[in-house]
Amino acid sequence: DADVTQTPRNRITKTGKRIMLECSQTKGHDRMYWYRQDPGLGLRLIYYSFDVKDINKGEISDGYSVSRQAQAKFSLSLESAIPNQTALYFCATSDFLGRNEQFFGPGTRLTVL
Amino acid sequence: GDSVTQMEGPVTLSEEAFLTINCTYTATGYPSLFWYVQYPGEGLQLLLKATKADDKGSNKGFEATYRKETTSFHLEKGSVQVSDSAVYFCALSDGGATNKLIFGTGTLLAVQP
Repeated sequence: DADVTQTPRNRITKTGKRIMLECSQTKGHDRMYWYRQDPGLGLRLIYYSFDVKDINKGEISDGYSVSRQAQAKFSLSLESAIPNQTALYFCATSDFLGRNEQFFGPGTRLTVL
Repeated sequence: GDSVTQMEGPVTLSEEAFLTINCTYTATGYPSLFWYVQYPGEGLQLLLKATKADDKGSNKGFEATYRKETTSFHLEKGSVQVSDSAVYFCALSDGGATNKLIFGTGTLLAVQP
């Protein structure tokens, strides 16, 4: 089984709809991250969390919110989706040590019409 | 702020050709440097990393050397295979409490038989 899973893998929705993307991990890591990937822009950090009580904004948090329901679960919500939020979204985890790698989920492809 | 610049793609090579993908960085401290690879339809996987100057990361025939004097971390492979076709991302982490990654824009590599 994959260590970091994301659901759904693909989603098409309409402008104004509320969408939730979910991430679960079995690695036992404290830190979790949400990124979005756009062609020509690489990955950009949306939110990150060190534990269930510690959530922080990344560089592009506007229009998004997150919830850390448990150590293993970190959800990303779009309260009112807009077309420029069409992107590939990745969840990642890492342990508490600095300079260590992050482990990525398979991604969710979101299309907002 | 910290940033990563990598060569634009796509890079198209014949099987067994030599590969170089250039990556340079700007950072105020002493970052760790990473190369991640994204195969079609998948999430990112760590390919190699280096945590201090003059370190060489290597994996699966790929190598990159952390050059502080030129602020570079170029990815090389002596003989590419069709299975190496993927998007390659250079990234840095400042190693601080957040362990955030800053990514380059990615370079698509296409290897032809």
